[in-house]
Amino acid sequence: AQSVTQPDIHITVSEGASLELRCNYSYGATPYLFWYVQSPGQGLQLLLKYFSGDTLVQGIKGFEAEFKRSQSSFNLRKPSVHWSDAAEYFCAVGPPLGAAGNKLTFGGGTRVLVKP
Amino acid sequence: GAGVSQTPSNKVTEKGKYVELRCDPISGHTALYWYRQSLGQGPEFLIYFQGTGAADDSGLPNDRFFAVRPEGSVSTLKIQRTERGDSAVYLCASRTGGPTDTQYFGPGTRLTVL
Repeated sequence: AQSVTQPDIHITVSEGASLELRCNYSYGATPYLFWYVQSPGQGLQLLLKYFSGDTLVQGIKGFEAEFKRSQSSFNLRKPSVHWSDAAEYFCAVGPPLGAAGNKLTFGGGTRVLVKP
Repeated sequence: GAGVSQTPSNKVTEKGKYVELRCDPISGHTALYWYRQSLGQGPEFLIYFQGTGAADDSGLPNDRFFAVRPEGSVSTLKIQRTERGDSAVYLCASRTGGPTDTQYFGPGTRLTVL
């Protein structure tokens, strides 16, 4: 069965500093990979997704992620964090094209706190 | 256009009661998903509709949970004989029929069972 691990439950970063959130997955084939962000009381908003092709994916709000097949990882990065980036971030995997209805398996999330 | 909407935003009920949670997907989206997010955890898949039919209900925890989508648009998640362990945020998502399309999530319904 597929699984997603986000090793860091909480991360505190200073405003303007760089941010990297880790995500490791277990899947029988190369899955589709996603990062979502959830602000308090809000639904999930998609930051970026990877299906195929270039392993460095650009997303919204200045985020990017890199797919590394050899490490089964899909880490999220942002060069300079803004106070508004304080939120919870979820990595998710979905099955390859056409399989299993594209239902997503999520990691446990990483809560990001931004210090002024 | 409007995003995915869910009603109510909050629902407080007593143990043993019946509840219905509603999801209005984005117009034209044929696929609809329900997920459950317990406190401090990531969302967990419950059920997936393609059109009117439940294509995959493998995530429903037991037979107290049921969902319908009679006209292929609005969906209702129904929970019978609620238990305290059912307390969670229930999220709905929809997407177009294309296999690589994004799932768009609603704001969720926070269910509290006393």
